[in-house]
Amino acid sequence: NAGVTQTPKFRILKIGQSMTLQCTQDMNHNYMYWYRQDPGMGLKLIYYSVGAGITDKGEVPNGYNVSRSTTEDFPLRLELAAPSQTSVYFCAIGGNDGYTFGSGTRLTVV
Amino acid sequence: KQEVTQIPAALSVPEGENLVLNCSFTDSAIYNLQWFRQDPGKGLTSLLLIQSSQREQTSGRLNASLDKSSGRSTLYIAASQPGDSATYLCAVPLRSTDSWGKLQFGAGTQVVVTP
Repeated sequence: NAGVTQTPKFRILKIGQSMTLQCTQDMNHNYMYWYRQDPGMGLKLIYYSVGAGITDKGEVPNGYNVSRSTTEDFPLRLELAAPSQTSVYFCAIGGNDGYTFGSGTRLTVV
Repeated sequence: KQEVTQIPAALSVPEGENLVLNCSFTDSAIYNLQWFRQDPGKGLTSLLLIQSSQREQTSGRLNASLDKSSGRSTLYIAASQPGDSATYLCAVPLRSTDSWGKLQFGAGTQVVVTP
């Protein structure tokens, strides 16, 4: 039972490149989230999903896209990477009964 | 818009001292408040969840209080240990109507406990 698994752990992108951050959970939870954490800051919500086929924008969705075709997977897509997207990205599941976070993806855009 | 502030940003204490971490929020109409721990290079671990109807929650050496009317929560860690060194974040629902998710986080308090 791995909980929430994120890949890759580290990535360096050039400006304008695209990539997908993967998030997989084995806890069969409906609610999944993507957050970003900039240095010295708290986490900000990018997108969230309340179940397969249902996604919605969070606080900072610009420059990102998501999909949720299965309960297990919630990938985050960056289409045209910009330096402002340099951050640590966390995937999470949970709700009022508590949260489980992945270990994060550290992304640098140069 | 809900805003969450944590003071101090950093704290260093000798082992054995009690820790007091503060969290304030602007919209008092919240359903709950959560405290998390983050170790360097790791994800977040949920520590305590306080529902709006509760005034405090306890887990081992950790005790969290909630005062909705003043928009404040305090996390107490008794008899600190070097293993308590981490960043502690508090979070409340992004909007007052969110009872289950979409959290607004504070920037965190970085704690160092020296042996």
